[in-house]
Amino acid sequence: AQSVTQLDSQVPVFEEAPVELRCNYSSSVSVYLFWYVQYPNQGLQLLLKYLSGSTLVESINGFEAEFNKSQTSFHLRKPSVHISDTAEYFCAVIPNTGGFKTIFGAGTRLFVKA
Amino acid sequence: NAGVTQTPKFQVLKTGQSMTLQCAQDMNHNSMYWYRQDPGMGLRLIYYSASEGTTDKGEVPNGYNVSRLNKREFSLRLESAAPSQTSVYFCASSVGTSGRVYEQYFGPGTRLTVT
Repeated sequence: AQSVTQLDSQVPVFEEAPVELRCNYSSSVSVYLFWYVQYPNQGLQLLLKYLSGSTLVESINGFEAEFNKSQTSFHLRKPSVHISDTAEYFCAVIPNTGGFKTIFGAGTRLFVKA
Repeated sequence: NAGVTQTPKFQVLKTGQSMTLQCAQDMNHNSMYWYRQDPGMGLRLIYYSASEGTTDKGEVPNGYNVSRLNKREFSLRLESAAPSQTSVYFCASSVGTSGRVYEQYFGPGTRLTVT
């Protein structure tokens, strides 16, 4: 079985500051890893994913995440946040053997202040 | 493409009433899912349909039933609503070909309140 722990429930940060949202997972098999973003009153959208290959993955809006197998982590970072990045961010995993049960973390609410 | 659509957007029910939440996708995806989202608990899988004609229980199926009407549509039914079912419900879909499953695409959600 898999589990996902997002270590911070809320992260307040000033505009243009860097941010890191932490995600650790537990699994007895290899997994695929995802970050989803949920803007207020909307559904979740895929932000980025790690399936294989380079352990550093990037999104089109400046976020990046690094898969660290030894630490079982997949932290999300952005060097300079904007007001528009205010949202809830969910880390998720699914076994790389397939299957249909994505396991989501509890979410981290990022609040960017002017 | 509309992606994943859900109806209704909002609903208030009295305890014991029934209702069906509708979901449709136009991306020709094989797999569809129903989740509920509660504060501090992330998303919990209620039911999923790996492909047309199949449905399976997720993490929290009690009190719910589903129907995969065709490849496009996947409905969630509450037969006798309870206050514990007050939540935001999301439908999602995924390509799900050849037993491999990657990212999911979500609808906008239905906010359900049971009084």
